[in-house]
Amino acid sequence: QVQLQESGPGLVKPSETLSLNCTVSGGSFSDYYWSWIRQTPGKGLEWIGYIYYSGSTNYNPSLKSRVTISIDTSKNQFSLTLSSVTAADTAVYYCARVAVPGLDYWGQGTLVTVSS
Amino acid sequence: DIQMTQSPSTLSASIGDRVTITCRASQSISSWLAWYQQKPGKAPKLLIYKASSLESGVPSRFSGSGSGTEFTLTISSLQPDDFATYYCQQYNTYSPWTFGQGTKVEIK
Repeated sequence: QVQLQESGPGLVKPSETLSLNCTVSGGSFSDYYWSWIRQTPGKGLEWIGYIYYSGSTNYNPSLKSRVTISIDTSKNQFSLTLSSVTAADTAVYYCARVAVPGLDYWGQGTLVTVSS
Repeated sequence: DIQMTQSPSTLSASIGDRVTITCRASQSISSWLAWYQQKPGKAPKLLIYKASSLESGVPSRFSGSGSGTEFTLTISSLQPDDFATYYCQQYNTYSPWTFGQGTKVEIK
């Protein structure tokens, strides 16, 4: 059974960088794309971007200037960094596996609050 | 970006009802559409992919249809476990992926 688990700080100060990790267990890590999605009450679900195990990435243009997604295949882990955060970046952040059907496995989500 | 618009935003229904949710895309996405179910405090769960294909393990009372810009999710006979919020998502290759705003299915 594929499981994904997000980890990282739950509180980030404005203008600083948000960093999250997603650790994947079960199943193959190298055959898939891996994605980050966030959810806020106001904007709903927002796709942030995805990465392939080779390191190729695709980002949402609305966040592209501030986002980096990286991957560590030796740890079955991929990561999100979002720079220059504001209160608008407060959200539940999910990591998910991208399969041909869609986003078929998700982490439980982690709430990140941007506040001083 | 491709905008996804769901209707209705909220739907009140009873056990056993047939429920239909509509999702419209601002431009054609062929059949690159998925449907998800989300319960409070949980991650979304994939129900339908490529507009009409049922994800493994999902009850057959769920079905999807449509192509191009108009899509529907149908629950043939609403069960207690189905009260949740439903989202459509387009995954067109040449456009940022986007989600609908959600449809909350409530108990009537």
